[in-house]
Amino acid sequence: ETGVTQTPRHLVMGMTNKKSLKCEQHLGHNAMYWYKQSAKKPLELMFVYSLEERVENNSVPSRFSPECPNSSHLFLHLHTLQPEDSALYLCASSQDPGGAEAYEQYFGPGTRLTVT
Amino acid sequence: KQEVTQIPAALSVPEGENLVLNCSFTDSAIYNLQWFRQDPGKGLTSLLLIQSSQREQTSGRLNASLDKSSGRSTLYIAASQPGDSATYLCAVANDYKLSFGAGTTVTVRA
Repeated sequence: ETGVTQTPRHLVMGMTNKKSLKCEQHLGHNAMYWYKQSAKKPLELMFVYSLEERVENNSVPSRFSPECPNSSHLFLHLHTLQPEDSALYLCASSQDPGGAEAYEQYFGPGTRLTVT
Repeated sequence: KQEVTQIPAALSVPEGENLVLNCSFTDSAIYNLQWFRQDPGKGLTSLLLIQSSQREQTSGRLNASLDKSSGRSTLYIAASQPGDSATYLCAVANDYKLSFGAGTTVTVRA
């Protein structure tokens, strides 16, 4: 596997379900990101992890819970979601954001989430 | 808060024509600017990254310019092909945060 991978690619869940999205990067990076892309809206940054510590929580509701067990893996745990949470969820990675030259982000293919 | 605007929202051209996509941003204190391509329902593919100290970057038929002081970037795609049909996103980095525009959806007609 190369680059950034995400599983599952598609997920349909009811509002009372609990599910998790998984992201894995094979680029030797140590920063990882979750983004949400809703229809007709720009990508929105949700969470940032640098060296396995959360450095950004962009006012995301608590029904989204991220987890970063190591620098290669990132999870997004979902529970009691709403239909408006249906979107494409994208994971990205980069070198540790500690210098001006290190911010190029590489994206995974995304998980298309539908909440019914 | 950084605001990124892309104009036009959609563009349709015949094959072979050159494409010009515009991006503007409100906060010029950026670290870099990235142009991405997104195919329907897919993730983002990075096309070009311009560091704040650079004025342009080139890759094959793609050329991106950056005028940081005026808060503008332009992506040029020469001799467009049907395979260039996609949505093109501009993103600017202020520290580790990327702020995205809404994208320009390009259709190249054969």
